[in-house]
Amino acid sequence: GNSVTQMEGPVTLSEEAFLTINCTYTATGYPSLFWYVQYPGEGLQLLLKATKADDKGSNKGFEATYRKETTSFHLEKGSVQVSDSAVYFCALSDPHTGGFKTIFGAGTRLFVKA
Amino acid sequence: GAVVSQHPSRVICKSGTSVKIECRSLDFQATTMFWYRQFPKQSLMLMATSNEGSKATYEQGVEKDKFLINHASLTLSTLTVTSAHPEDSSFYICSARAGRGASYNEQFFGPGTRLTVL
Repeated sequence: GNSVTQMEGPVTLSEEAFLTINCTYTATGYPSLFWYVQYPGEGLQLLLKATKADDKGSNKGFEATYRKETTSFHLEKGSVQVSDSAVYFCALSDPHTGGFKTIFGAGTRLFVKA
Repeated sequence: GAVVSQHPSRVICKSGTSVKIECRSLDFQATTMFWYRQFPKQSLMLMATSNEGSKATYEQGVEKDKFLINHASLTLSTLTVTSAHPEDSSFYICSARAGRGASYNEQFFGPGTRLTVL
């Protein structure tokens, strides 16, 4: 079945550091891939997405590239801010095999220190 | 962008009572709505999938008589936690899938409802 594996946290960085959160997936079809962000006490917000191989999703300085050959969708940001502190979820959805369900990774908590 | 609301945002109830949580798509018609449960510092666990006008499909291990889901219209789904107990305390999040338009198949998440059962 479909699944998502992402690096365990927490990740603690200083402001302006480079961020990478690894995400790999297993899917039988051709899924769409997502990164969601959850701020404390809130629901999920879509951060970025990619719907096919080699697509790059980007938003608010974050980016991730859909790599079919390595089944990966790593999240990167060149210079993090304190306001980026949150939990980040990698996810996939495959309408053709998953019935529009979204499969989430375990989440990675990011702390950014001033 | 598409907006999904949930009501209430927080609820505290006594053990044995029932609690209803509403999920509304405010500016689009939602063909499908999903209900998730999130325990502290954990990922989202899909509880059930509901399509407008039909019975919800529950994930394995989720009690359908305990968690009643009604999807009466294309903009409203409700989750009722019946005879709530402290172990039902959790963060419940809904999402809605747009049935048509530019956001077709994209899911939009509500802000979540924190349930505390005393």
